[in-house]
Amino acid sequence: DAGVIQSPRHEVTEMGQEVTLRCKPISGHDYLFWYRQTMMRGLELLIYFNNNVPIDDSGMPEDRFSAKMPNASFSTLKIQPSEPRDSAVYFCASTIGGGVRTYEQYFGPGTRLTVT
Amino acid sequence: AQSVTQPDIHITVSEGASLELRCNYSYGATPYLFWYVQSPGQGLQLLLKYFSGDTLVQGIKGFEAEFKRSQSSFNLRKPSVHWSDAAEYFCAVGPLNAGGTSYGKLTFGQGTILTVHP
Repeated sequence: DAGVIQSPRHEVTEMGQEVTLRCKPISGHDYLFWYRQTMMRGLELLIYFNNNVPIDDSGMPEDRFSAKMPNASFSTLKIQPSEPRDSAVYFCASTIGGGVRTYEQYFGPGTRLTVT
Repeated sequence: AQSVTQPDIHITVSEGASLELRCNYSYGATPYLFWYVQSPGQGLQLLLKYFSGDTLVQGIKGFEAEFKRSQSSFNLRKPSVHWSDAAEYFCAVGPLNAGGTSYGKLTFGQGTILTVHP
């Protein structure tokens, strides 16, 4: 089975540019999570979806960040405009939800974003 | 607010030696507890989980963890480390009574990097 797929794996962009990160969850999974990993703050949950609907976006740092899930097999995380402090590894994870199973998450390989 | 502390940022062990990685949590009630592992350049993989019952839980790759309520700890152990175990290990907690929208919200510790010497 294919795991969670993220693209691109690496992204280098200049400050002020728009960045779009993409994620394809595991087929059949109904929860999708976006995380950000930095040295300073560790691994933080940004937003998560259930059945394509955003459930909790309290971790989204500011209005420059937005996430969408137009269908069960695709999600995007967009940063506009990007800033150097957005440099991080962004992970997408998915799972089959249902009580405690929702914590058993399958992570993609991540997108390493560098904003210069 | 819940928090997870992994006191050791970096641990080095020799191959074949035993391993214990520490994790302490701060929470209003016993949460669900997890250990995830991140190999270089990879996403996180679930090693094991504790929900209730037996306080010693077994996971994949020969790992086990023991929940100690009195110490608010969930330490990860392995009797004999292999070179392939070199990775970063994350302890995480999830709310016990999450209700409708909170299930899935994991709080992660800062991670412990494990180096294995041959």
